[in-house]
Amino acid sequence: DAKTTQPPSMDCAEGRAANLPCNHSTISGNEYVYWYRQIHSQGPQYIIHGLKNNETNEMASLIITEDRKSSTLILPHATLRDTAVYYCIVSLSGNTPLVFGKGTRLSVIA
Amino acid sequence: DSGVTQTPKHLITATGQRVTLRCSPRSGDLSVYWYQQSLDQGLQFLIQYYNGEERAKGNILERFSAQQFPDLHSELNLSSLELGDSALYFCASSALPGSPNQDIQYFGAGTRLSVL
Repeated sequence: DAKTTQPPSMDCAEGRAANLPCNHSTISGNEYVYWYRQIHSQGPQYIIHGLKNNETNEMASLIITEDRKSSTLILPHATLRDTAVYYCIVSLSGNTPLVFGKGTRLSVIA
Repeated sequence: DSGVTQTPKHLITATGQRVTLRCSPRSGDLSVYWYQQSLDQGLQFLIQYYNGEERAKGNILERFSAQQFPDLHSELNLSSLELGDSALYFCASSALPGSPNQDIQYFGAGTRLSVL
């Protein structure tokens, strides 16, 4: 079973920041938080991951709380192409099987 | 383009039949993963291979089998197909530990299987 809890759906206005929350209260000290997204029925796409520090790349920022029990994925300027299902996954590494939950369906609205 | 190639894109077959799905990982990636995505079960891990050897097994039915060949491509064989096997099947690959982007799984575009 997935070790994360995410809201089933969210809306975001185009051009605004999208903040997607994730709860992972049972995360172990050596487990990472990964975010993937799936646009329509395409293959999932890696976004970002982190252990305990905040991370940023060209796609998004990841904010992990100090107790590591929750995190937020931030898409700074959402576009229509960001409409997708976003999955928050807790895993020991990227080389182990991913356990997907139901994710959050983000709809970016013009 | 993730660099992971899956063929065929679509497959339509009848119950009781057998099919083979093919996956070519990114150049140099030794790990291959298979996932199934159905409407009722979501995305589920089936099996992982690393350099030709089975590394991890998930919710894979006994009617399903997989292998990874010396050139690192992988095949997922589905037999005695049932209506409930209709789903999207994704393959992913990841790099050798210690390599750049070692922590990322790259997914192919998937094979859509329809069992009629």
